[in-house]
Amino acid sequence: GQQVMQIPQYQHVQEGEDFTTYCNSSTTLSNIQWYKQRPGGHPVFLIQLVKSGEVKKQKRLTFQFGEAKKNSSLHITATQTTDVGTYFCAGANDYKLSFGAGTTVTVRA
Amino acid sequence: EAQVTQNPRYLITVTGKKLTVTCSQNMNHEYMSWYRQDPGLGLRQIYYSMNVEVTDKGDVPEGYKVSRKEKRNFPLILESPSPNQTSLYFCASSFYREDTEAFFGQGTRLTVV
Repeated sequence: GQQVMQIPQYQHVQEGEDFTTYCNSSTTLSNIQWYKQRPGGHPVFLIQLVKSGEVKKQKRLTFQFGEAKKNSSLHITATQTTDVGTYFCAGANDYKLSFGAGTTVTVRA
Repeated sequence: EAQVTQNPRYLITVTGKKLTVTCSQNMNHEYMSWYRQDPGLGLRQIYYSMNVEVTDKGDVPEGYKVSRKEKRNFPLILESPSPNQTSLYFCASSFYREDTEAFFGQGTRLTVV
């Protein structure tokens, strides 16, 4: 079945630094979604990427979909304490969604 | 306010005692699903429903039941809970199919002793 791998599992970041989390699929995806879950909270939809090579930005967050539509990345610049949480990617294939295990981000002030 | 509501938020129960976790959405979404979240495993789908009276198994359905008698409600039933079902459960809904934006409930933290 479809598998979505996400790395790293944990990311410890100094406030103000940048970091990237990666998502890789074993199959070609029709779209990829990203969600954020704050500590003690529930996943909240951030964005959906559909086109090959697509890049979207939300303030300090940059999302990219690979040319082959099998991988994606989320890059956060100038990390802030509000960025703390777990970021999940979810790959869609044949109308089914598979979630990665998530990257849990902690921030050192 | 558009939302997915789960109840209860926290539940401690004993092995074998039947329980139901309720889920309700007010967005008129056709698609609803249940996930469990365990450390290092992400979100795994238990069951899903594409519309009223249409349900199907997800990736980890063993030990669970669901029903979809009304569009807005999608309860999760554990007929005989076991300790390995201790987990964080989320209900989610989407407008018309799974690969569109999902709205998640607040979660239910279940402990089975």
